[in-house]
Amino acid sequence: AAGVIQSPRHLIKEKRETATLKCYPIPRHDTVYWYQQGPGQDPQFLISFYEKMQSDKGSIPDRFSAQQFSDYHSELNMSSLELGDSALYFCASSLRVSNTEAFFGQGTRLTVV
Amino acid sequence: AQTVTQSQPEMSVQEAETVTLSCTYDTSENNYYLFWYKQPPSRQMILVIRQEAYKQQNATENRFSVNFQKAAKSFSLKISDSQLGDTAMYFCASRGTSYGKLTFGQGTILTVHP
Repeated sequence: AAGVIQSPRHLIKEKRETATLKCYPIPRHDTVYWYQQGPGQDPQFLISFYEKMQSDKGSIPDRFSAQQFSDYHSELNMSSLELGDSALYFCASSLRVSNTEAFFGQGTRLTVV
Repeated sequence: AQTVTQSQPEMSVQEAETVTLSCTYDTSENNYYLFWYKQPPSRQMILVIRQEAYKQQNATENRFSVNFQKAAKSFSLKISDSQLGDTAMYFCASRGTSYGKLTFGQGTILTVHP
């Protein structure tokens, strides 16, 4: 069965650079979530989209933005990167009407140097 | 708002034995969902088991079962016949609606010893 695909899997950026993380949800899933997991920490919710509209917002810095496109894939754009942005970024998807749990991608490990 | 608390930073168990991981939560929702996720060294987030709050029966998935105490807001995970592959970080999580965001606990590192 198809899973949530995230790209790239690993990314190294310098301070003040920009990064774009991509997420391809499970086919027919209409909701996408982004989470940030720092070293030794639990995942923290950043933002979610339902049917291409932002549905909820968590502790996402103003330097970050995200959107969901017509094909339901989502991108997380991160600008003016800081060392503290180094983390594992997860995308998850779900189908709202079926009341199922969210399925996670394998994550993108971002290292800011 | 929801909060999830895991008070055991680390646990260990011998292979084939049983271990219980603790989790407490707080929520203002009338209906909510509780989960246990496993995160092995690969860092993949794997759903272990889920519980819907309106269901009184405790969820079971093979060697994994939960003890859901709604009044006490407690949601513990029991792993029977522990295997070396169970070694991982385990996160307890809650969700207020069928499509809402997950709130995670701090995690418990479980080590299964041969």
